[in-house]
Amino acid sequence: NAGVTQTPKFQVLKTGQSMTLQCAQDMNHNSMYWYRQDPGMGLRLIYYSASEGTTDKGEVPNGYNVSRLNKREFSLRLESAAPSQTSVYFCASSAVPGTNEKLFFGSGTQLSVL
Amino acid sequence: EDQVTQSPEALRLQEGESSSLNCSYTVSGLRGLFWYRQDPGKGPEFLFTLYSAGEEKEKERLKATLTKKESFLHITAPKPEDSATYLCAVNNAGNMLTFGGGTRLMVKP
Repeated sequence: NAGVTQTPKFQVLKTGQSMTLQCAQDMNHNSMYWYRQDPGMGLRLIYYSASEGTTDKGEVPNGYNVSRLNKREFSLRLESAAPSQTSVYFCASSAVPGTNEKLFFGSGTQLSVL
Repeated sequence: EDQVTQSPEALRLQEGESSSLNCSYTVSGLRGLFWYRQDPGKGPEFLFTLYSAGEEKEKERLKATLTKKESFLHITAPKPEDSATYLCAVNNAGNMLTFGGGTRLMVKP
């Protein structure tokens, strides 16, 4: 059982470059999330999708866009990467419908923007 | 604004030496408090949900407790495989989750 799968695992970008982080879950969960994790700051929500066809901003959405492609897939796009976006990015899905309880996380993408 | 503060930031224990991790919180309408375990290079893994003061949950050597202002994660007779970062998070009345910065636990054999 794969759970939540994220690609790529590592990425180095130059300032101004764009990229898309991919996420897929095979647990038939409705809600999916993108977080970033920075040292000493805890996980912070970037965007979430409560269900297929809906997306909403989280705490730190600036510089990012998302697409809920279908029930399984939720992608995060950086249109013009900045050094401040250097972070570890996690995708998650929720086992409890309509809530962010009991999240299942992917293994993360470590992104460096030079 | 909801706040979650975890202490200590890092904790070194000898194998078998029991201790507790603290999670202090302020939240607008607690809908749940969660504990996660995170191993290096991995995503957080769900451990417990606590909903109301006085509630306790146990799993192997871990026991989580909740009061109106804080939660404790008690680790009894820890083993080296319990070494990880433990994260606490609170869910508020608006269904928004706030994570603490985590406690990095190191258990030496």
